Amino acid sequence: DAGVTQSPTHLIKTRGQQVTLRCSPKSGHDTVSWYQQALGQGPQFIFQYYEEEERQRGNFPDRFSGHQFPNYSSELNVNALLLGDSALYLCASSLATGYEQYFGPGTRLTVT
Amino acid sequence: EDQVTQSPEALRLQEGESSSLNCSYTVSGLRGLFWYRQDPGKGPEFLFTLYSAGEEKEKERLKATLTKKESFLHITAPKPEDSATYLCAASDPIQGAQKLVFGQGTRLTINP
Repeated sequence: DAGVTQSPTHLIKTRGQQVTLRCSPKSGHDTVSWYQQALGQGPQFIFQYYEEEERQRGNFPDRFSGHQFPNYSSELNVNALLLGDSALYLCASSLATGYEQYFGPGTRLTVT
Repeated sequence: EDQVTQSPEALRLQEGESSSLNCSYTVSGLRGLFWYRQDPGKGPEFLFTLYSAGEEKEKERLKATLTKKESFLHITAPKPEDSATYLCAASDPIQGAQKLVFGQGTRLTINP
């Protein structure tokens, strides 16, 4: 049973560029959440997708956007990258009817 | 505002020396209190879910407990492989979504 997968593992971008991160949920899960984790901090909620729609959004600017596909996989897009966007980006999947979220290995984004 | 606070920030123990990690929360309408283990550079690994005050869960050397305002993660006779950052999160189900609010984590080091 495959767990949550994310790609790429690492990414280096230049300030002002755009980036797309990808996530495939755990088998059987239909809900995907994205979190940002700065070094030494706990993860911060970005947004959650269910039925291809954004259900809730955390305190992140509109530069952060997402998408969920019919197969429940998801993308996180960040435009106009800032140095402060450097972080570990985590995807978590869950069932819409449950509360437990299972995390992927993350994508380490470095903005120079 | 929903808040989760963990203490201590860091804890260093000798192998076999038992201790407890604390997680206090202020989340209205709590729908679950979660514990995760996170190794450096990796995604959080799910450990426990607690739903109501008085509930306890155990896994190997770990036991999690929950009161109305805080949760404890008790570590009995730890081994070096228990070294990791332990994250606590509270589920805040606003508008049907399952947002997790995380603490900053406790960095646990077990010396042989």
